[in-house]
Amino acid sequence: AQSVTQPDIHITVSEGASLELRCNYSYGATPYLFWYVQSPGQGLQLLLKYFSGDTLVQGIKGFEAEFKRSQSSFNLRKPSVHWSDAAEYFCAVGAGGSQGNLIFGKGTKLSVKP
Amino acid sequence: EPEVTQTPSHQVTQMGQEVILRCVPISNHLYFYWYRQILGQKVEFLVSFYNNEISEKSEIFDDQFSVERPDGSNFTLKIRSTKLEDSAMYFCASGRLGSTEAFFGQGTRLTVV
Repeated sequence: AQSVTQPDIHITVSEGASLELRCNYSYGATPYLFWYVQSPGQGLQLLLKYFSGDTLVQGIKGFEAEFKRSQSSFNLRKPSVHWSDAAEYFCAVGAGGSQGNLIFGKGTKLSVKP
Repeated sequence: EPEVTQTPSHQVTQMGQEVILRCVPISNHLYFYWYRQILGQKVEFLVSFYNNEISEKSEIFDDQFSVERPDGSNFTLKIRSTKLEDSAMYFCASGRLGSTEAFFGQGTRLTVV
């Protein structure tokens, strides 16, 4: 069965420090992978997506993610975190090549220390 | 920039009552979705809708749920007889034909008391 695991429920980093949020997926075919961010009281905003091609994808707000098929991972990174990055981050997988539903991980809440 | 809009932002209803959650998808999108997020849990797929019919639904989407596109712009989720466990944030999303990418609204928080 398809699944997404985000092992870290809550991460705290200092402002200016680097960030890596982990995501592992289980999917038999070619996955479409997404990272969404949810600020308090807001909806889900797409940060970046991977469909094919270059395994390092750039997103909005200075985020990037790397698809590693051998590790079934799609970790999200940012070199220098800003206080406004405090939010909840969701990794999701979709059925490659078809119009289908997304399967989400449980999310990682990011707190940023001044 | 076009966006998915949902109304109301928060709805409180008594157990057993019917509720309708409303969504206006992005205008040139052809696929429409409802997801829900129970507090503290993951976002879960409920249903997808295309060409005026349900294209896929999860096991959560039982007979108490229904969706409708009553006109050219709105997409609604009806819960016929609400239960306490229906309390959740409900997200509407829309997507283009041939794209798995979904654009989400800000959600409607449903509280069943």
